Amino acid sequence: AQSVTQLGSHVSVSEGALVLLRCNYSSSVPPYLFWYVQYPNQGLQLLLKYTSAATLVKGINGFEAEFKKSETSFHLTKPSAHMSDAAEYFCAVSLYNQGGKLIFGQGTELSVKP
Amino acid sequence: GAGVSQSPRYKVAKRGQDVALRCDPISGHVSLFWYQQALGQGPEFLTYFQNEAQLDKSGLPSDRFFAERPEGSVSTLKIQRTQQEDSAVYLCASSHGGPRQETQYFGPGTRLLVL
Repeated sequence: AQSVTQLGSHVSVSEGALVLLRCNYSSSVPPYLFWYVQYPNQGLQLLLKYTSAATLVKGINGFEAEFKKSETSFHLTKPSAHMSDAAEYFCAVSLYNQGGKLIFGQGTELSVKP
Repeated sequence: GAGVSQSPRYKVAKRGQDVALRCDPISGHVSLFWYQQALGQGPEFLTYFQNEAQLDKSGLPSDRFFAERPEGSVSTLKIQRTQQEDSAVYLCASSHGGPRQETQYFGPGTRLLVL
């Protein structure tokens, strides 16, 4: 069965520092991979998605992620953190044969210190 | 244009009470999904519609949970005889319904508290 693991339930960085949020997946077939962000009391907003095109995917707000099949990883990065990046981040996978339903990781809460 | 809307935003129910949660998807979106998000957890899939057809309900936790989308637009998630473990945020998402990598657009969720 497919699953998603996000390493680190809480990550804290200083403003201007590199952001790295880790995501590993398990799947017997090539997955589609997504990163969503959730601000308090709001729904999830798509940051970026991998759909078997370029392995380096650029998203909104300066975020990007690289699909590494050999490592079964899809880590999210941003070169310089901003205070407004503080939120909960979710990695998710969907499979072509399951109607598009998303399987989410547990989430990583990102804190940004001034 | 308007995004996915959900109502009510907050619902407090007494244990044993029935509740109905509404989702208005983006106009023209074929696919509609319901997810349950417990406190401190990632969302978990409940059920999926393509137009009015419920194609996957494998995530519904018990027969107390029932979802419908009779005209292929608005959807209602009903929970009968609510239990404390049903307390969670219920998220609705919609997508165009094309290839499997279609982006799902999420509503703000309904926060259900069962006392």
